Amino acid sequence: GQQVMQIPQYQHVQEGEDFTTYCNSSTTLSNIQWYKQRPGGHPVFLIQLVKSGEVKKQKRLTFQFGEAKKNSSLHITATQTTDVGTYFCAGVIQAGTALIFGKGTTLSVSS
Amino acid sequence: EAEVAQSPRYKITEKSQAVAFWCDPISGHATLYWYRQILGQGPELLVQFQDESVVDDSQLPKDRFSAERLKGVDSTLKIQPAELGDSAMYLCASSPQGDTQYFGPGTRLTVL
Repeated sequence: GQQVMQIPQYQHVQEGEDFTTYCNSSTTLSNIQWYKQRPGGHPVFLIQLVKSGEVKKQKRLTFQFGEAKKNSSLHITATQTTDVGTYFCAGVIQAGTALIFGKGTTLSVSS
Repeated sequence: EAEVAQSPRYKITEKSQAVAFWCDPISGHATLYWYRQILGQGPELLVQFQDESVVDDSQLPKDRFSAERLKGVDSTLKIQPAELGDSAMYLCASSPQGDTQYFGPGTRLTVL
């Protein structure tokens, strides 16, 4: 079946360092969404990318959608302790269908 | 800000017992999803509703799981009988157009 792979599974950084997580789909996607889940919490929507090659920024977070609409990345510049959590990418193969989540990248930040 | 409500937040049960979870989506959201999230994994879809109709239940273990959304608003997910492997977080999400999804706080189920 369709799969969304995400790497790395874990990443530890010092506060102020950058962080990137990568997402790859076995199938061309209609759109890709990113969610953040804090420890003990539930996934919270961050952003949706729809267009091939799209780049979106939210303060220190930069999201990219690949030209082939099969891969995506999330880059955090100058991490802060508040960035701690698990970041999930979730692909949508056809609009209106369910999200296919990656396994997530768990980010820890030490000050 | 409107939120998806779920109850209970925590449930401990013994195997072979029946359990039920409730979800109240954001008002006006036609699409409702139930996901299961095992510790250390991403959420996996169990069932998707569009209004009161099931759109996708291909991953729902129908021998023990059932879900309904009778009036197209709130929804109930039931497990009978519960098994040890059902221990997980059960997340409900809703969406206005079947796109961006808003998750509830989840129900953490522990089966002993």
